[in-house]
Amino acid sequence: NAGVTQTPKFQVLKTGQSMTLQCAQDMNHNSMYWYRQDPGMGLRLIYYSASEGTTDKGEVPNGYNVSRLNKREFSLRLESAAPSQTSVYFCASSEVFGGTGELFFGEGSRLTVL
Amino acid sequence: DAKTTQPNSMESNEEEPVHLPCNHSTISGTDYIHWYRQLPSQGPEYVIHGLTSNVNNRMASLAIAEDRKSSTLILHRATLRDAAVYYCILRDPNSGNTPLVFGKGTRLSVIA
Repeated sequence: NAGVTQTPKFQVLKTGQSMTLQCAQDMNHNSMYWYRQDPGMGLRLIYYSASEGTTDKGEVPNGYNVSRLNKREFSLRLESAAPSQTSVYFCASSEVFGGTGELFFGEGSRLTVL
Repeated sequence: DAKTTQPNSMESNEEEPVHLPCNHSTISGTDYIHWYRQLPSQGPEYVIHGLTSNVNNRMASLAIAEDRKSSTLILHRATLRDAAVYYCILRDPNSGNTPLVFGKGTRLSVIA
């Protein structure tokens, strides 16, 4: 049982390039999330999908787009990468949105924008 | 959701108990207290959660003050593997469209 799988684990981009971070979960969870974590900081929510077919902005959505491709997959796209987007990105999922349900996180994707 | 306050860092000796405090003086009656931890170079993982009564699981215990304005995560015997950042988070399960919001947490160092 893999849980939450993120790809790629590491990526280096040049300013202005685009890329997509992929996330898949095999727990049949309804809700999925993208967070970013800058050095020495806590996690900040970028976007989330409470259920298949819906997406909503979190705290720091600017410069990102997301797609809930199906129940399993939730991708994060950087259309024109900027150095300020250098960060570690975490995908998470939960059985339901809200309640006291536990979040399950992936191992992270480390992105450097030069 | 109400705000929490945690010390930036704490240190413990291996095999000793660790008490990680969290203040949440503006907690509402329906806020649950959640704890997550983040091991180095990994994503956060769930530790425990509670509402009013103290809670125990295989990882830790959660002691909640009677007035609910503070709580303490207790690791009964710290191991080197427990070195991590610990996040205390409040969330009302009926709060609608607000997912968990992580602060900076407490960085726990465990000394062998």
